[in-house]
Amino acid sequence: EVQLVESGGGMARPGGSLRLSCVASGFTFDGSGMSWVRQVPGRGLEWISAINWSGGSRLYADSVKGRFTISRDNAKSTLYLQMDSLRGEDTASYHCAKDALYGGYDLWGQGTLVTVSS
Amino acid sequence: SYELTQPPSVSVSPGQTATITCSGDNLGAKYCCWYQQKPGQSPVLVMYQNSERPSGIPDRFSGSKSGNTATLTIRGTQTMDEADYFCQAWDINTRSFGGGTKLTVL
Repeated sequence: EVQLVESGGGMARPGGSLRLSCVASGFTFDGSGMSWVRQVPGRGLEWISAINWSGGSRLYADSVKGRFTISRDNAKSTLYLQMDSLRGEDTASYHCAKDALYGGYDLWGQGTLVTVSS
Repeated sequence: SYELTQPPSVSVSPGQTATITCSGDNLGAKYCCWYQQKPGQSPVLVMYQNSERPSGIPDRFSGSKSGNTATLTIRGTQTMDEADYFCQAWDINTRSFGGGTKLTVL
């Protein structure tokens, strides 16, 4: 089955850290660019980071630059998001998404919820 | 960061045409994608490269772009099309989303 499954969400204190994982199956993971997108329940989508197929090119939104790190392990078909120096405004559901061949995301995970609170 | 502007809401009667716009600086030089999101579900890509429909998306959905404004058009809107719609700008350094438009079919 073609799918993305996120894990690693949970509660964290402001200033704390979490590491999210996204396991891919059913497609050629090492041929696909990947991204993380977050969404506060009931609100809009916010793109936060992207990585190309090899991991050699990474992009970050200004809101997370310097605090979050995207990476991938193609041997494990797994995408990661290391989140450090967490803030209350990072509270959201975090989704991983697969690049479609010609732009856009053609596969999304169901998301993992991150709550940052003291 | 790059910003895209969408109307917060659009209403349409069943069978009529719904039009959702998305505007941003220099959007004309980027590709635009569109997503449909229903409550409790992940987004679904309904348009890429401004006007291309992924397989499985009904042909009542179409996309266009003129200057710095992209438009998603739904002809013969059905009640099942009621959802939030998000545009996304896409180029080598851009992946930003618009704020979303709630489409109400009534």
